[in-house]
Amino acid sequence: KAGVTQTPRYLIKTRGQQVTLSCSPISGHRSVSWYQQTPGQGLQFLFEYFSETQRNKGNFPGRFSGRQFSNSRSEMNVSTLELGDSALYLCASSLEGQLGDTQYFGPGTRLTVL
Amino acid sequence: AQKVTQAQTEISVVEKEDVTLDCVYETRDTTYYLFWYKQPPSGELVFLIRRNSFDEQNEISGRYSWNFQKSTSSFNFTITASQVVDSAVYFCALSDPGYSTLTFGKGTMLLVSP
Repeated sequence: KAGVTQTPRYLIKTRGQQVTLSCSPISGHRSVSWYQQTPGQGLQFLFEYFSETQRNKGNFPGRFSGRQFSNSRSEMNVSTLELGDSALYLCASSLEGQLGDTQYFGPGTRLTVL
Repeated sequence: AQKVTQAQTEISVVEKEDVTLDCVYETRDTTYYLFWYKQPPSGELVFLIRRNSFDEQNEISGRYSWNFQKSTSSFNFTITASQVVDSAVYFCALSDPGYSTLTFGKGTMLLVSP
């Protein structure tokens, strides 16, 4: 079974621009979560989607948004990029997103904001 | 609030040494899950183990073993006879209430030299 895939793997943007990242979950997995990883803050939860609905959200500004499609694929969008948005963005999928479901992670998208 | 503490930022060992990575957690929930993930330089988080709060049995998988002690809120990970390929950042994580999303510790970087 193919793992979680994320595209693109690397992105370079400038301040003020916006960016869209894509994630395809493991086949059969209906929950997709997004995390931001930075050297200073570590791994932080952004949001979780299940059945095209955002069910859970971390403490991030509204510039960070996402969506999920009917085939469970997900995208996240960051508008008006800031230097501090430079990070590794990791997507994870799980079967139903319920307590105890194991999250399986993709390789990440490394975003650099100049 | 949920919290995971990995007090060891970096550990350096020589191949074949045993090494223990510490993890201490805080939660008000009675039902929760604990996880360990490995992050090699490539960036992808690799799932290692999941343990629920009602199962305090230690687990061994090859050279890896885990010690869960509810009384001290700890879930420690031991690698026996370490190898260079074990070099990575290891994360301990705690399930968020009701969901499969996770609160992560800051990670412990393990460097195994030949």
